Amino acid sequence: EAGVTQFPSHSVIEKGQTVTLRCDPISGHDNLYWYRRVMGKEIKFLLHFVKESKQDESGMPNNRFLAERTGGTYSTLKVQPAELEDSGVYFCASSRLTSGKYEQYFGPGTRLTVT
Amino acid sequence: GNSVTQMEGPVTLSEEAFLTINCTYTATGYPSLFWYVQYPGEGLQLLLKATKADDKGSNKGFEATYRKETTSFHLEKGSVQVSDSAVYFCALSTGNQFYFGTGTSLTVIP
Repeated sequence: EAGVTQFPSHSVIEKGQTVTLRCDPISGHDNLYWYRRVMGKEIKFLLHFVKESKQDESGMPNNRFLAERTGGTYSTLKVQPAELEDSGVYFCASSRLTSGKYEQYFGPGTRLTVT
Repeated sequence: GNSVTQMEGPVTLSEEAFLTINCTYTATGYPSLFWYVQYPGEGLQLLLKATKADDKGSNKGFEATYRKETTSFHLEKGSVQVSDSAVYFCALSTGNQFYFGTGTSLTVIP
């Protein structure tokens, strides 16, 4: 089966601009997660979808970040307006509804650079 | 709360050397523990996991044992190869969220 895919692989934007990241989970995976790794630091949880509903968005840093998952398939993460501290690698992961704490499959990540 | 502390890097080893990357955790509840690896230019891949105390996860020559008494999950490999050069992340999950360490960069030189 195809893995989790993310687009783009790398994005370079100027401060104040808008960027939209996309994640396509593994087919049949109802759980979808977004994580972020800021340079040299730990990978941090941003939010969790179950199908199209936001289950937990406690990790979203502020209201400049907007995540959607219309139709319960792919998800987008929009940053508007981008700030310098938003630079980092954004990972998406997915899992089956019953996987729980046992396994998440990660995508290759999108490297975002804000200049 | 939940958190993972892993050994700072970078780590540089010669081929065939023994590898240990330390990982300790704090958790509410009873976590599952994981090691993920990120090879250059690729995404995170699950390396191994353990879901209960005293379980040993193993894969590709790597091993880690879930030690509840010391809240640790140290990664070991007896003889590293150049192809093991990557960033290694220790992680835990108690439900639907993963908590990661900062990652340890490993470079293996011939």
